Amino acid sequence: DGGITQSPKYLFRKEGQNVTLSCEQNLNHDAMYWYRQDPGQGLRLIYYSQIVNDFQKGDIAEGYSVSREKKESFPLTVTSAQKNPTAFYLCASSIDGQLYNSPLHFGNGTRLTVT
Amino acid sequence: EDKVVQSPLSLVVHEGDTVTLNCSYEVTNFRSLLWYKQEKKAPTFLFMLTSSGIEKKSGRLSSILDKKELFSILNITATQTGDSAIYLCAVLQGGSEKLVFGKGTKLTVNP
Repeated sequence: DGGITQSPKYLFRKEGQNVTLSCEQNLNHDAMYWYRQDPGQGLRLIYYSQIVNDFQKGDIAEGYSVSREKKESFPLTVTSAQKNPTAFYLCASSIDGQLYNSPLHFGNGTRLTVT
Repeated sequence: EDKVVQSPLSLVVHEGDTVTLNCSYEVTNFRSLLWYKQEKKAPTFLFMLTSSGIEKKSGRLSSILDKKELFSILNITATQTGDSAIYLCAVLQGGSEKLVFGKGTKLTVNP
């Protein structure tokens, strides 16, 4: 079955540590996205990538970094510079980044807690 | 500033009730409006609306867009406990191909 796999489901870290969230897709989609979801807030775009070896900042990129070395994989690193990292992180993909033609498919998310 | 506003933010109903969820928007370069259902983890796509007045329907769910008044509604008839979820509304901006999300409406359907 094709889909998006995010791991781990739950992640706990101490303040000051970097942490990397995994996102893998076997849908053969070109475009991949990272969103952050906080209680009572809409989804906010962190980073997106429309093609391998290229990515762009979203609305809240500060304190995060990504890489896109393979089409299937788009890991997100939450650095110690992110002031408020505790949140639910959703990875998504679309066929070609033209969201009018191909709505986003989402993974099941990673809940990150930093204490 | 681009924004999408959903109302109500939370709603509790009994099985069998009909509910209407609202989504209004002020977004530059509007291209389409999307509805997603988020039960526990992954949001799943429900509808994409691009033209005013044309109802999209899937089973007990239906949605319509009014581009003059800048809003959309999502109707759910004969609600079931399985409809309990957060319903997300998002507007796709042309050019940037970015989605602007609302905060969501949390629907709870009690037996």
